[in-house]
Amino acid sequence: AQSVTQLGSHVSVSEGALVLLRCNYSSSVPPYLFWYVQYPNQGLQLLLKYTTGATLVKGINGFEAEFKKSETSFHLTKPSAHMSDAAEYFCAVRNSGGYQKVTFGIGTKLQVIP
Amino acid sequence: EAQVTQNPRYLITVTGKKLTVTCSQNMNHEYMSWYRQDPGLGLRQIYYSMNVEVTDKGDVPEGYKVSRKEKRNFPLILESPSPNQTSLYFCASSSNSGQGLEQYFGPGTRLTVT
Repeated sequence: AQSVTQLGSHVSVSEGALVLLRCNYSSSVPPYLFWYVQYPNQGLQLLLKYTTGATLVKGINGFEAEFKKSETSFHLTKPSAHMSDAAEYFCAVRNSGGYQKVTFGIGTKLQVIP
Repeated sequence: EAQVTQNPRYLITVTGKKLTVTCSQNMNHEYMSWYRQDPGLGLRQIYYSMNVEVTDKGDVPEGYKVSRKEKRNFPLILESPSPNQTSLYFCASSSNSGQGLEQYFGPGTRLTVT
């Protein structure tokens, strides 16, 4: 069975500070990994994804994440937080085999303090 | 414009009154899925479908039904809604092949069962 753990359901950072949102996963086969963002009263939209190849992936709005197989992690970072980054962020894992179940973490609400 | 649509966006109903939430996508995606989002629990998968006439249970299927008679549509049926099904529901779709594995989400349906 696959699972996702997001450490910290709420994270607060100052505007201009580093954003680090943690995600650890478990999967019995090589995973596909995703970060989604949800702005208030909206659906989820893709920030970035890892499928194969380069382990450091860049997404929209200056976010990036690094797939570390040895640590089973896929942490999301952004060097400098903007007020517009305030949202809820979800990490998700999808099995790369024929079984297409997707599992989401519980989400991390990011607060950006002026 | 590529999109996933859900209807209705908001619904208040009473216990036991059957309802259907519709979901439609225009991207010719094989994979479609329903999630519910509850505070502190993240997104939990209700049902998913790999293709027409192929559906399977997710993590929380009790009290729900789905059907996939056409590729573009994936309705969620609550035969006898109960208050514990009050939640925010999202439909999502994705391709099953290539690098396009990320899910596209609908805008959500907020359901209240009294």
